[in-house]
Amino acid sequence: GAVVSQHPSRVICKSGTSVKIECRSLDFQATTMFWYRQFPKQSLMLMATSNEGSKATYEQGVEKDKFLINHASLTLSTLTVTSAHPEDSSFYICSALDSSTSPLHFGNGTRLTVT
Amino acid sequence: RKEVEQDPGPFNVPEGATVAFNCTYSNSASQSFFWYRQDCRKEPKLLMSVYSSGNEDGRFTAQLNRASQYISLLIRDSKLSDSATYLCVVMNYGGSQGNLIFGKGTKLSVKP
Repeated sequence: GAVVSQHPSRVICKSGTSVKIECRSLDFQATTMFWYRQFPKQSLMLMATSNEGSKATYEQGVEKDKFLINHASLTLSTLTVTSAHPEDSSFYICSALDSSTSPLHFGNGTRLTVT
Repeated sequence: RKEVEQDPGPFNVPEGATVAFNCTYSNSASQSFFWYRQDCRKEPKLLMSVYSSGNEDGRFTAQLNRASQYISLLIRDSKLSDSATYLCVVMNYGGSQGNLIFGKGTKLSVKP
C-alpha cells in the first residue's frame, strides 16, 4: 500500500532554533499534503494544506511565517518550525493524498520537544 | 453545528461486547467518508472507508446514511487490542484538492 515517510520521528531542540520536518510519499505522487498538530489528549488539528508548486493554505490561527511549508515536488513537503518555543512542543503529522477519492496516508509523526 | 461531530466517549466495554460509534456531518455535499484508528501517541491509521452500500471487514461494519448525514462504525466481539481512539473523517472535494474534516475522535477502552 501507499507509504508516507516522515522524518525525523523525534526531535529535541532549544528555544529559538528552527526545526525542519520532511514528509515524503514513497510510491505515489501526492498533489496535496496536509500538516497537522496534535497536543496531548487532543484531536488532530489541521495546520495547513500544501499543494505542489503553489503556496500553502493555512488554517485560521496558524502563523504562516512561523510554520513554513514548502511543497517543491510531488513527493516531498517540508514543514519548518521557525524560532521554536516550548509551546510549539507537540506531535506533528503529515498526510498525503494520492488521488481525489482515495483515503489519506499518514506519516508516522514527529514528536517535537522545545526546551 | 460543527462540521463533523463525534461522541468523545470514553466507551468502556468488556471484551466480547459489541460497540457502535456514530458520527454526524453537516455538509450534505461531502463525498468521501472514512474511519481511522489512532493509538496513543501514534499516527492515525486507516481502518476502513465507508461506502453508501455499507461495508464490512471482519468484526468491523461501517455504514453511511446520506439522508441523515451520519456514518457509523460497529465493532463486534471487542478485543483488548481494539482500545484506541476512532476518528471519523469526511472529505469534500473542490477541483484536485481535498478539504478534510476530522472529528475529534471517540475513545474506546476494552476491558478484560
